[in-house]
Amino acid sequence: AQSVTQPDIHITVSEGASLELRCNYSYGATPYLFWYVQSPGQGLQLLLKYFSGDTLVQGIKGFEAEFKRSQSSFNLRKPSVHWSDAAEYFCAVAWMDSSYKLIFGSGTRLLVRP
Amino acid sequence: EAQVTQNPRYLITVTGKKLTVTCSQNMNHEYMSWYRQDPGLGLRQIYYSMNVEVTDKGDVPEGYKVSRKEKRNFPLILESPSPNQTSLYFCASSTAGDPRLNTEAFFGQGTRLTVV
Repeated sequence: AQSVTQPDIHITVSEGASLELRCNYSYGATPYLFWYVQSPGQGLQLLLKYFSGDTLVQGIKGFEAEFKRSQSSFNLRKPSVHWSDAAEYFCAVAWMDSSYKLIFGSGTRLLVRP
Repeated sequence: EAQVTQNPRYLITVTGKKLTVTCSQNMNHEYMSWYRQDPGLGLRQIYYSMNVEVTDKGDVPEGYKVSRKEKRNFPLILESPSPNQTSLYFCASSTAGDPRLNTEAFFGQGTRLTVV
């Protein structure tokens, strides 16, 4: 069965520290991978996506993510977190062999300490 | 400005009273979908539509209806709402449903529904 796991419900980091949010997926077919951010009271905004090619992708707001097929992972990273990055982050996956269905992880809420 | 607009943003209603949440996009997108967001569960797809007059069930369609009479609009209908439909709802649209076409989903700002 297709599933997406974000193992961390909450993460707290200090402003200026580095950040890594984890995302794992199950299912063997070629995945299409996305990270979205949801600020309080807002809809979802696409941070970055991976379809093919270079497995390290750059996104908006200084975020990047790396696709590791061997680990079925697509972790989101940022070298230096800003207070405005506090939000909820969702990993989402679609699979090439199925009709388009974007399956979301349960989300990770990022808190930033001043 | 390209956008997906949902109305209302907030709604409190009583059990059994029919309601409609509207969704409209101005990007001429073929594909539209509805999600509900619940704590600890992420977003789950309710219904989607590949184009006008083409709709299909997502993962959690029970208790919901949709229609797609025009390309820009995709209303979500709760014929007889129940408390377990209290949730945050998002509408999304994209140029096509197939991710191989390298499309991006645009989301509305959400509708917070409370059924008492």
